[in-house]
Amino acid sequence: DAMVIQNPRYQVTQFGKPVTLSCSQTLNHNVMYWYQQKSSQAPKLLFHYYDKDFNNEADTPDNFQSRRPNTSFCFLDIRSPGLGDAAMYLCATSRDRARGTDTQYFGPGTRLTVL
Amino acid sequence: AQSVTQLGSHVSVSEGALVLLRCNYSSSVPPYLFWYVQYPNQGLQLLLKYTSAATLVKGINGFEAEFKKSETSFHLTKPSAHMSDAAEYFCAVSDPGNTPLVFGKGTRLSVIA
Repeated sequence: DAMVIQNPRYQVTQFGKPVTLSCSQTLNHNVMYWYQQKSSQAPKLLFHYYDKDFNNEADTPDNFQSRRPNTSFCFLDIRSPGLGDAAMYLCATSRDRARGTDTQYFGPGTRLTVL
Repeated sequence: AQSVTQLGSHVSVSEGALVLLRCNYSSSVPPYLFWYVQYPNQGLQLLLKYTSAATLVKGINGFEAEFKKSETSFHLTKPSAHMSDAAEYFCAVSDPGNTPLVFGKGTRLSVIA
């Protein structure tokens, strides 16, 4: 089945130690998104890629970076995690962004713990 | 900018009872509207979406929602709750064109046996 895969499902890191979260997709979608979701809150969009075009949300901290080496993979890098970065990180894809009707398909998420 | 308001952060219903989860939107143009469900420790799954076709939209798992422009609402309903419906439900809105999806704060549905 076509799907969005996130690895690892659970990640523990230390305060200030860089961490990378991974997302891959078999849907061949053009757009990949990264969301941060804190406990009992709505997902918050950090950034997205339309093909190789990177789009950062205005309020995304510089501590968060992303890479998309090819259509299938996208990475979220947190350069110096703080305690406030502990959250669920969700990856999603959509076929296109030009039409607001496109469904976003979500991966299962990576729960990040910062010690 | 568009936004959504979900009334009630937590709704509790008995098994077999009607489920009603409320969502009101604010948008300067006719929006596209979505309902997503999130089970514990999982990603979001699309239940249904409104894209300016029929105002009554049927989704998966017996859920449906009706777009009411006069009330700026897109409430989610299911005639008979099942234990497996217990989850977090998010309403989301996007405008036509190149805009990101905006989520509401979510409503946690509990189903009591």
